[in-house]
Amino acid sequence: AQSVTQLGSHVSVSEGALVLLRCNYSSSVPPYLFWYVQYPNQGLQLLLKYTSAATLVKGINGFEAEFKKSETSFHLTKPSAHMSDAAEYFCAVSGAGSYQLTFGKGTKLSVIP
Amino acid sequence: DTGVSQDPRHKITKRGQNVTFRCDPISEHNRLYWYRQTLGQGPEFLTYFQNEAQLEKSRLLSDRFSAERPKGSFSTLEIQRTEQGDSAMYLCASSSPTGTGANNEQFFGPGTRLTVL
Repeated sequence: AQSVTQLGSHVSVSEGALVLLRCNYSSSVPPYLFWYVQYPNQGLQLLLKYTSAATLVKGINGFEAEFKKSETSFHLTKPSAHMSDAAEYFCAVSGAGSYQLTFGKGTKLSVIP
Repeated sequence: DTGVSQDPRHKITKRGQNVTFRCDPISEHNRLYWYRQTLGQGPEFLTYFQNEAQLEKSRLLSDRFSAERPKGSFSTLEIQRTEQGDSAMYLCASSSPTGTGANNEQFFGPGTRLTVL
């Protein structure tokens, strides 16, 4: 069985500050990991995905995530927050042979001017 | 590529009524997924189609729920005898036939928000 834990349901950062959103996963098979962003009243948009080709993954809008197998983590970072980054972020996992995504509960990011 | 579309965007119904939602995937995508998202939670998987075949169903999909994809294109999700606990955002996603595992990027629609009074 697969599961995802996102630490912190709400994170606030100042504009220009580092963004760090935490995600830990549990999977009995090598996982495929994703970060999605959801803006109010919109569907989810893929930010980045872990393909096993590289442990540091770069995504859209300046976000990146590092896969650490020893820590079963896939934390999302951005060096400098923008007001437009305010949204809800979801970490998700799928396993080999299964197409369903298992999502974490999400972290709402607020950016303070 | 017009993206995944869902109709209606909002639905208010009374308890006990039946409702049906429609999802139109990206045209070349053969895989289609339904998820349910309640307030403060991440999306939860409901069911998955490859072409017209329903290949996976979650235990969340009770007998009151039925999903179809008759011609392998659009899909419908019907909820019979709605209950207040069915109030949620119902999300549809689709993915490419060439994607497997990590390449199986799912593209999400805007969702249908259901409110059961």
